[in-house]
Amino acid sequence: EIVLTQSPGTLSLSPGERATLSCRASQSVSSSYLAWYQQKPGQAPRLLIYGASSRAIGIPDRFSGSGSGTDFTLTISRLEPEDFAVYYCQQYVSSPRTFGQGTRLEIK
Amino acid sequence: EVQLVQSGAEVKKPGESLMISCKASGYSFTTYWIGWVRQMPGKGLEWMGIIYPGDSGTRYSPSFQGQVTFSADKSTNTAFLQWNSLKASDTAMYYCARHMAPRPTAGFDYWGQGTLVTVSS
Repeated sequence: EIVLTQSPGTLSLSPGERATLSCRASQSVSSSYLAWYQQKPGQAPRLLIYGASSRAIGIPDRFSGSGSGTDFTLTISRLEPEDFAVYYCQQYVSSPRTFGQGTRLEIK
Repeated sequence: EVQLVQSGAEVKKPGESLMISCKASGYSFTTYWIGWVRQMPGKGLEWMGIIYPGDSGTRYSPSFQGQVTFSADKSTNTAFLQWNSLKASDTAMYYCARHMAPRPTAGFDYWGQGTLVTVSS
């Protein structure tokens, strides 16, 4: 099973700042089969990034994904108030597909 | 418009059985895998497994194999998640979600609103 470790656990930033979230895999995630999701309280997750770096439909360009192999990054270039949420990475290359434990992005 | 609409919240006793549903619309139901994701109170997302409605082929996470059953009804475009004997530890929000591509390796692009299952004596 591929274990995904996200860091930091909690990130405290202000609107307008840049956020950098990390997802490290215990084994290589081939073909960059990695996604990022955003979840706000009381809501279902929302797909942000797939294939490590492709934005999903309707996702603002302030969200970007990068990385390959075992190290992946989600960057939010300029935080908007609505971006404060929990973010999860997921690998979908091998079974069981696994999620990271999440990074909580909170307002400083 | 793609939509996944899940059945309503359930309150059950330990040992009882339960089936929750996920009704799909706005796309070809038999073409895309549907997955189930558990979120226990205050916790993260857990991948339970996926089902291909085209032939009801399934892939379960080892953590859930033998504990739950996935099924799908092509005539009603509905996927189901079933328990035969609930435990208190099954208390969670359960989401269904659609694969974004017609293959078993894909992220989830559309999600249901979630079904809250509470198991308590």
